[in-house]
Amino acid sequence: EAQVTQNPRYLITVTGKKLTVTCSQNMNHEYMSWYRQDPGLGLRQIYYSMNVEVTDKGDVPEGYKVSRKEKRNFPLILESPSPNQTSLYFCASSPGDGGNGETQYFGPGTRLLVL
Amino acid sequence: AQSVTQLGSHVSVSEGALVLLRCNYSSSVPPYLFWYVQYPNQGLQLLLKYTSAATLVKGINGFEAEFKKSETSFHLTKPSAHMSDAAEYFCAVSETGGFKTIFGAGTRLFVKA
Repeated sequence: EAQVTQNPRYLITVTGKKLTVTCSQNMNHEYMSWYRQDPGLGLRQIYYSMNVEVTDKGDVPEGYKVSRKEKRNFPLILESPSPNQTSLYFCASSPGDGGNGETQYFGPGTRLLVL
Repeated sequence: AQSVTQLGSHVSVSEGALVLLRCNYSSSVPPYLFWYVQYPNQGLQLLLKYTSAATLVKGINGFEAEFKKSETSFHLTKPSAHMSDAAEYFCAVSETGGFKTIFGAGTRLFVKA
């Protein structure tokens, strides 16, 4: 089944403890992206990647890191999480460069609580 | 810069009534416009999109949207609401030649029996 998977789905952590949220797609998509969803703000893009080893900042990149060493994986790293990073996180992918009207395919989401 | 405004964070309709969710956008170049739906505890999935072909776009589950350039709008409609339509709906825009998609704040649709 074609899908985007994220792990873990739910995570509670404490301020300052490094964590990684994994994202993997099995559709051979070029473009991958991370969003955070907050009430009243919709989805805001954190980072995106148009190909292996090519990443760029979205609208809210502060406090996050990403890497794209393999085409299928795009992990999101929080090196020192803070309570304002409590949110619902979505990974998404699309076949080409993410532009020109491409549909994005979303993972199920990771709900993060930072205490 | 591109942006999206969804009017109404919550909309409530009775089962069988018309659904109308409003979306206005701003873009300096011809836009691509999307409606995504998010069911409880799930990721977003595409309902429909406008990519400069027909201005009236039909999507899944009986939804459609009309691109009106003069009004910079892309409102989502469905003639008759069903209980299963209860979800959160997001309007989004991306620009020709761009690599980013900008999402609106979302509208939660409630359907009353």
